[in-house]
Amino acid sequence: DAGVIQSPRHEVTEMGQEVTLRCKPISGHNSLFWYRQTMMRGLELLIYFNNNVPIDDSGMPEDRFSAKMPNASFSTLKIQPSEPRDSAVYFCASSSQGAGGRETQYFGPGTRLLVL
Amino acid sequence: RKEVEQDPGPFNVPEGATVAFNCTYSNSASQSFFWYRQDCRKEPKLLMSVYSSGNEDGRFTAQLNRASQYISLLIRDSKLSDSATYLCVVTGNQGGKLIFGQGTELSVKP
Repeated sequence: DAGVIQSPRHEVTEMGQEVTLRCKPISGHNSLFWYRQTMMRGLELLIYFNNNVPIDDSGMPEDRFSAKMPNASFSTLKIQPSEPRDSAVYFCASSSQGAGGRETQYFGPGTRLLVL
Repeated sequence: RKEVEQDPGPFNVPEGATVAFNCTYSNSASQSFFWYRQDCRKEPKLLMSVYSSGNEDGRFTAQLNRASQYISLLIRDSKLSDSATYLCVVTGNQGGKLIFGQGTELSVKP
């Protein structure tokens, strides 16, 4: 079975450019999470969706970041304009979330973003 | 204070050693607890959930102390393949949100 799919796997861009990261969750999962990982700050939750609705976006750093989930099988994380401090690994994860939050989150392979 | 705190390590141990990782969390309302494993340049993967009564999975034993807000992971008879970063994870106030510790790096040497 396919796991969480992310694209691109690597992205190198110049400061000021728009960056769009894509995620396809595991089929049947109803929750989707976007994380960012850096050496300094570790793994941080940016935003998560339940049944395509954003539930908690308190981790989104600023207005330059936006996320959408137009349907159950696709989500995007957009950075516009990008800055060098956005360089990180961005992970998408999905789970079949019920009450209680014990359901396992499955992570995609990540997108390594470098903003020059 | 960070919501989840771990000793970053690295822990360098010989094969066959027993190694213990500790973790503390600040939110007394957290309901679910996990250990995830992350290999170098890979994504995190669930290693095991942590239950109040303690639980064991082969060479791995996890313990939870709610009163002290403390979680532990014990690895017995460590293998070279255990080399990875171990992430302590707790749920936030909203059930689906996971809070990750910074991770503890383990390096098992021959």
